[in-house]
Amino acid sequence: QVQLVESGGGVVQPGTSLRLSCVASGSIFSRYAVHWVRQAPGKGLQWVALVSYDGFNKYYADSVKGRFTVSSDTSNKTVALQMHSLRPEDTGVYYCASSRGATTYGFDYWGQGTLVTVSS
Amino acid sequence: QSVLTQPPSVSAAPGQRVTISCSGSSSNIGNNYVAWYQQLPGTAPKLLIYDNDKRPSGIPDRFSGSKSGTSATLGITGLQTGDEADYYCGTWDSSLSGWVFGGGTKLTV
Repeated sequence: QVQLVESGGGVVQPGTSLRLSCVASGSIFSRYAVHWVRQAPGKGLQWVALVSYDGFNKYYADSVKGRFTVSSDTSNKTVALQMHSLRPEDTGVYYCASSRGATTYGFDYWGQGTLVTVSS
Repeated sequence: QSVLTQPPSVSAAPGQRVTISCSGSSSNIGNNYVAWYQQLPGTAPKLLIYDNDKRPSGIPDRFSGSKSGTSATLGITGLQTGDEADYYCGTWDSSLSGWVFGGGTKLTV
């Protein structure tokens, strides 16, 4: 079993930065990767980024490339999403989710989500 | 505009069967595994199907998945009112080097 808990969301102004954290507990080492998936209010799911648990492999959605950075700290079982140059369209609930593979298996464990609101 | 195409809504009576389609291309569904998620109102998504047709532990066999070419289908039999939710398909896109989701389908029972 894996438990994921996100934190760090809040209300920020456009152009500013925010750092989200995802703390894992349980058998996280059996999982290959951690993903960030966001959901704008009333909208569908949008994949944001993934990092392999060892931190070596990282992929980003085009919409956040160059602005967001994902990292993994295995000693603290924490995955972070550093977000810069935030835009109103980045508003939404951000979930972290784990998977047994980078491109397969699907996302089998999810956190409860943390809300990010980008507004002036 | 989502990379994967799903019908916005489907409906069926309790006890009936429903299918939800997910259409993509050779860069995503055609050459990668498909997963399906259920999202109940106000909750995080839950994995229903992975690798096209496999169910995680604890998912009842009322839920099934299949894939043919560049399309995938989620099937739900013996519909219950508790199945009312949004359903999403997702897969890796080799051209984008990222995961993509369908726009979601709202199931009404």
